[in-house]
Amino acid sequence: DAGITQSPRYKITETGRQVTLMCHQTWSHSYMFWYRQDLGHGLRLIYYSAAADITDKGEVPDGYVVSRSKTENFPLTLESATRSQTSVYFCASSESLGIQPQHFGDGTRLSIL
Amino acid sequence: GESVGLHLPTLSVQEGDNSIINCAYSNSASDYFIWYKQESGKGPQFIIDIRSNMDKRQGQRVTVLLNKTVKHLSLQIAATQPGDSAVYFCAENNAGNMLTFGGGTRLMVKP
Repeated sequence: DAGITQSPRYKITETGRQVTLMCHQTWSHSYMFWYRQDLGHGLRLIYYSAAADITDKGEVPDGYVVSRSKTENFPLTLESATRSQTSVYFCASSESLGIQPQHFGDGTRLSIL
Repeated sequence: GESVGLHLPTLSVQEGDNSIINCAYSNSASDYFIWYKQESGKGPQFIIDIRSNMDKRQGQRVTVLLNKTVKHLSLQIAATQPGDSAVYFCAENNAGNMLTFGGGTRLMVKP
């Protein structure tokens, strides 16, 4: 029962570098989400996807790019990392919106020096 | 800004006692609510949910109460155990069918 897995669990990189966070789910859920979690802000939605090749912006999309070529994968890319993007990133999935809960991975702790 | 549970207070309870964690929400149009548990170093874990056409829902050792009149949600944990120690936060499904998360409450269980 793998559920939803994120990799890497920890990542340290430098400003200006590109970094990609991976997310993989085994439930065949239609919806996938990326959140960041920072002290004082709770979970904030970066991007979400309703299906393969369908993505949309969330509350804080600037500086991030996503893709969803396959239903089970939803990678998040920081094209040119900045210190303000130091955070814990969570991926989630759900079968539908508004009537079923989202299920989360264990996160990627990203530090940008 | 956030509309759900702005602060991260701490609730300390004795093992075996009941715990009540509260959450206020501001959007009266929200129709679905979820409680999550987050342990250190892990992702949020689904506990229980409730739709707005209900005012109470029970799970195993947990009960969620919804008071739409005052826009208040609570999570009751019966016979709290050390393994219940975590941050608990609520989420509401808003008009755009996106979840808005609160900042959470830290539950500490004293043995």
